[in-house]
Amino acid sequence: NAGVMQNPRHLVRRRGQEARLRCSPMKGHSHVYWYRQLPEEGLKFMVYLQKENIIDESGMPKERFSAEFPKEGPSILRIQQVVRGDSAAYFCASSPPSGTDTEAFFGQGTRLTVV
Amino acid sequence: GQQVMQIPQYQHVQEGEDFTTYCNSSTTLSNIQWYKQRPGGHPVFLIQLVKSGEVKKQKRLTFQFGEAKKNSSLHITATQTTDVGTYFCAVVFNDYKLSFGAGTTVTVRA
Repeated sequence: NAGVMQNPRHLVRRRGQEARLRCSPMKGHSHVYWYRQLPEEGLKFMVYLQKENIIDESGMPKERFSAEFPKEGPSILRIQQVVRGDSAAYFCASSPPSGTDTEAFFGQGTRLTVV
Repeated sequence: GQQVMQIPQYQHVQEGEDFTTYCNSSTTLSNIQWYKQRPGGHPVFLIQLVKSGEVKKQKRLTFQFGEAKKNSSLHITATQTTDVGTYFCAVVFNDYKLSFGAGTTVTVRA
């Protein structure tokens, strides 16, 4: 059973370009979460999605950031017109149907560097 | 969301010694989870605590949830080089959202 798959593992973008980060949840999981980790900091919640629905995007910056989880294919976190401050590790996690007894399974992350 | 504070931020340990990292909150927590992240890696779930005063052990790791459910601790005995990494506590709220502490980064002197 493959774990949460994220790609690319490393992504370098110039300021002003777009970054697309992909996440395929574990088999059988339909809930996807995106977290951002700045250097030497904890993870910060960004968005929670289910298939074709954004459930909670309270942690997403209001501009330039968007996320989707289409009926077919991986979840995508899109950052438009990247700036240096967007440099971070972006982790995707998935879980079975929600409940306080469930753990989150994290992918390997995408480390975005904006130059 | 519920906020948790972790101390210390850094822990330098001599191989073979014990250490403890703490997670504190000003409010009562419904639960606490602990994760470990190796350098360059991703967070890996270790344990979840739910009950007041709960204690769980995983080999050399002992996890405790305070009686008032406002703090938690992770104690590691006989530290090994494989224990290197950052240990995060996290609270689940709204049934799905993890609120992470800033983590305790552990280095081990051989």
